[in-house]
Amino acid sequence: QLQLQESGPGLVKPSETLSLTCTVSDGSISSSTYHWGWIRQPPGKGLEFIGNIYYSGSTYYNPSLKSRVTISVDTSKNQFSLKLSSVTAADTAVYYCASRRYFDSSGYHYYFQYWGQGTLVTVSS
Amino acid sequence: QAVVTQEPSFSVSPGGTVTLTCGLSSGSVSTNYYPSWCQQTPGQAPRTLIYNTNTRSSGVPDRFSGSVLGNKAALTITGAQADDESDYYCVLYMGSGISVFGGGTKLTVL
Repeated sequence: QLQLQESGPGLVKPSETLSLTCTVSDGSISSSTYHWGWIRQPPGKGLEFIGNIYYSGSTYYNPSLKSRVTISVDTSKNQFSLKLSSVTAADTAVYYCASRRYFDSSGYHYYFQYWGQGTLVTVSS
Repeated sequence: QAVVTQEPSFSVSPGGTVTLTCGLSSGSVSTNYYPSWCQQTPGQAPRTLIYNTNTRSSGVPDRFSGSVLGNKAALTITGAQADDESDYYCVLYMGSGISVFGGGTKLTVL
């Protein structure tokens, strides 16, 4: 089964850009079966979809974050990345990368099948 | 953007049955939204229990079942156990590549 692992700084200053990378193992990021996505969870709160990317580079962003989010994919490294600009304390959260199963021989699905363990990013000066 | 609604909290006795629901602030939930349900225990990443309304993920006990009841998606736990005490999140696919999570239901088993 797929393994996903987030990496990146745990502390980001206000107004700067948060950057995280998700490394996919035991599977190819070029698979047509998955969208590769980011989800976050502020401390003590619920889950929030940030966005997804397909291996082709097509992106899908939460409208409420769209102006600040960029998700990209590097098929040569089997990685995808998140950039969130102009961060504030409200962006402090555990950030998860996940694979959303999209399409296979049994049809369309749209559920998050595999998750990384999550990484806490704190926005503070 | 549509708001996905869930009960903030629910309580069930060990061995009992509980149904958690997932609605939309405007409109009805149908299978066209590909409802899925995630379980999260404190400090852990979520895991998907149910997808495509009623399909259990591999390894999920059959005491968990999904359905559409009226205008909402539903997760039913039959014969609740102590380790079912978790947060449960509904996820709906809204089209155009966008998924939306509900606010989550904190389930207590006591």
